[in-house]
Amino acid sequence: QKEVEQDPGPLSVPEGAIVSLNCTYSNSAFQYFMWYRQYSRKGPELLMYTYSSGNKEDGRFTAQVDKSSKYISLFIRDSQPSDSATYLCAISYGQNFVFGPGTRLSVLP
Amino acid sequence: EAGVTQFPSHSVIEKGQTVTLRCDPISGHDNLYWYRRVMGKEIKFLLHFVKESKQDESGMPNNRFLAERTGGTYSTLKVQPAELEDSGVYFCASSQDPHTGTLHFGNGTRLTVT
Repeated sequence: QKEVEQDPGPLSVPEGAIVSLNCTYSNSAFQYFMWYRQYSRKGPELLMYTYSSGNKEDGRFTAQVDKSSKYISLFIRDSQPSDSATYLCAISYGQNFVFGPGTRLSVLP
Repeated sequence: EAGVTQFPSHSVIEKGQTVTLRCDPISGHDNLYWYRRVMGKEIKFLLHFVKESKQDESGMPNNRFLAERTGGTYSTLKVQPAELEDSGVYFCASSQDPHTGTLHFGNGTRLTVT
């Protein structure tokens, strides 16, 4: 079983839609939960991180963590064509990071 | 602040040749990571430096890969001799405090071994 699982997509939505991206993980030792966004031919950039169960909101983005289910989500409200990218969940313990394979999202105008 | 820079951005070499990738982290970041993404797979950890010391090199695939970080500044990753399965995108990331989850990535070096 992989440490972090994520549906690779691709996922296509119309502009303005609410997007839900999800990951599951297997190791309960994981402490920090992150979402990175990667545009084509670029490196991943950190969108959000959290270390506890619950929701964290930043503008149109909401990260949700459920440690009991080992499930993390990223919601994007009012999605824009500029949100088209690959979204990677990442989980860490100590100084070690494990990445999901990423979900490729296309927001169509 | 200047971001993490990597070069070359692309490299095409023949099987058996040597390639050296370079990463310049953000100034002041003691933690430097190398990752690799093979086509269709997730980003995989290779190794982690804290200053000039290798903190964790458990992800290095074999002894054809050699990473250095002289003086705790820039880092190089050398592949010698390169094999076909080494093709992929090699990312470098740096962090001031990895416990916050904040990794700053470069744009990667796309390596193609033919």
